[in-house]
Amino acid sequence: DAEITQSPRHKITETGRQVTLACHQTWNHNNMFWYRQDLGHGLRLIHYSYGVQDTNKGEVSDGYSVSRSNTEDLPLTLESAASSQTSVYFCASSVTATGELFFGEGSRLTVL
Amino acid sequence: DAKTTQPNSMESNEEEPVHLPCNHSTISGTDYIHWYRQLPSQGPEYVIHGLTSNVNNRMASLAIAEDRKSSTLILHRATLRDAAVYYCILTTQGGSEKLVFGKGTKLTVNP
Repeated sequence: DAEITQSPRHKITETGRQVTLACHQTWNHNNMFWYRQDLGHGLRLIHYSYGVQDTNKGEVSDGYSVSRSNTEDLPLTLESAASSQTSVYFCASSVTATGELFFGEGSRLTVL
Repeated sequence: DAKTTQPNSMESNEEEPVHLPCNHSTISGTDYIHWYRQLPSQGPEYVIHGLTSNVNNRMASLAIAEDRKSSTLILHRATLRDAAVYYCILTTQGGSEKLVFGKGTKLTVNP
């Protein structure tokens, strides 16, 4: 079955280190998204992409970057991790720009 | 951006219907109403969406007020597995990047 997978599911890192969270989907969806979710809050959009070589900033993009070199993958990079980036990160994809979002299981990141 | 208002929490009993309300008084004519839910320790999952007419699918029904300023997600027979946070979201102009997830309604289902 087609799916969307995130890795790692759990990661602990130190302040200042570079971290990359992987997101891979096998549906061949053009649209991919990264969200973060903090305790007691809803999801906030970090970056999104509507196709290969296309990337856009979301609501909380500072300190994060993405690249889209193929349809299947949208890795999220924290260039210099900060404690404020401790969160659960969700990747999602969709067929159309306004269509149903399919979410991954999430990656829990702790920055010490 | 159009916003939604939902109760912070609701409680239901197993096998009873559940009506989850959502107010969106500033909705525009082209905004779709989406519902997602998030089970504990999982990513959100799509439940249903609609524009003007009531909608049904295998998971739930969506009842939209005639003036579109409110809507209700209906779970016809709640199960323990339906315990989750339910998000009512509007798609403003543009694509899925405009989906704004608020805090949602935490639904507790009692056995």
